[in-house]
Amino acid sequence: NAGVTQTPKFRILKIGQSMTLQCTQDMNHNYMYWYRQDPGMGLKLIYYSVGAGITDKGEVPNGYNVSRSTTEDFPLRLELAAPSQTSVYFCASSRGQGGDAFFGQGTRLTVV
Amino acid sequence: RKEVEQDPGPFNVPEGATVAFNCTYSNSASQSFFWYRQDCRKEPKLLMSVYSSGNEDGRFTAQLNRASQYISLLIRDSKLSDSATYLCVVNGNSGNTPLVFGKGTRLSVIA
Repeated sequence: NAGVTQTPKFRILKIGQSMTLQCTQDMNHNYMYWYRQDPGMGLKLIYYSVGAGITDKGEVPNGYNVSRSTTEDFPLRLELAAPSQTSVYFCASSRGQGGDAFFGQGTRLTVV
Repeated sequence: RKEVEQDPGPFNVPEGATVAFNCTYSNSASQSFFWYRQDCRKEPKLLMSVYSSGNEDGRFTAQLNRASQYISLLIRDSKLSDSATYLCVVNGNSGNTPLVFGKGTRLSVIA
């Protein structure tokens, strides 16, 4: 049982480049989330989705976009990468709003 | 007041000690509460849910105080392997809003 899978695990981007962070889950969870975690800091919610076709902004959505065309996949798109987006990105999923969340292993992104 | 607040620590305790963490939350309508554990450079993982009547899982005990809006985690007989950051997690304000994470409390268990 794979759970939540994120790719890539590591990436270095140049300022102004774009990329998509992939996230897929095989638990048939409705809720999916993207968080970022800066060194020594807590998790900040970027975007979340309560089901296919539905997405909502979290605390720090600027500079990011998401889509949710299927239950399984929730990619995060970075447009025009900036050094401030250097962080560890975690994707997570949960059965419902009150359900406990399962996390992917994270993507470590550096923008130089 | 922040949605979920925790003392960042670090808490440095010897092996075998008992240590307790508290967490306060601002939304009185919150219904679901959890403690997560995050090891260095790893993803957060669920440690335990927190139920109204309190619950225990081995050396770990979680308590919820709705009146004062705080939850606690007690770790007995600390092991070196308990060294990690412990995240307090509460469900969101309304409807479909997701889980809100505290910034975490760092624990170091020392031999």
